Amino acid sequence: NAGVTQTPKFRVLKTGQSMTLLCAQDMNHEYMYWYRQDPGMGLRLIHYSVGEGTTAKGEVPDGYNVSRLKKQNFLLGLESAAPSQTSVYFCASTSTSVVPGELFFGEGSRLTVL
Amino acid sequence: GIQVEQSPPDLILQEGANSTLRCNFSDSVNNLQWFHQNPWGQLINLFYIPSGTKQNGRLSATTVATERYSLLYISSSQTTDSGVYFCAVLLLGYDYKLSFGAGTTVTVRA
Repeated sequence: NAGVTQTPKFRVLKTGQSMTLLCAQDMNHEYMYWYRQDPGMGLRLIHYSVGEGTTAKGEVPDGYNVSRLKKQNFLLGLESAAPSQTSVYFCASTSTSVVPGELFFGEGSRLTVL
Repeated sequence: GIQVEQSPPDLILQEGANSTLRCNFSDSVNNLQWFHQNPWGQLINLFYIPSGTKQNGRLSATTVATERYSLLYISSSQTTDSGVYFCAVLLLGYDYKLSFGAGTTVTVRA
């Protein structure tokens, strides 16, 4: 049982480049989230999804786009990366039924923008 | 949204010591979780505890929902307990968005 899997784990980009982070979960969870964590800070919500085909903005959505074409996958895109987007990104998912709101995290993706 | 405050912000322990971490929240909640972020950055679920008391080895947690706080107890601390401990709460009706505290950084010295 893989749980929540993020790819890639590490990436270095130059300013202005684009990239996509992939989050996949095998728990049939309805809700999925993308967070970022900066040094010495907690987790801030970027975007989230309440189901296939739907997405919504979190606290810090600017500069990011997301898509949820399949229930098990949640993609986070950076169209034109900026140094301020250097961070560790975490994907998470939860179910609204079995244990409502129990959150499961992926291992994180460390992104550096030069 | 719900405000979540954790205390203390930092804690330094000698191996073998006991400690208590606190999480206060500003509204009634349906869910409360404790996470441990280890020095490698992994976020590990410790407890799902909207109310009551749970124990897992040397760790235990108590949530008093009516008084809007939760406590995480670490007994006989070990160096592997080092890391950041986060509390997160959820109020149903807020689109299943958990609100996180800023964390307590625990350092256990041998």
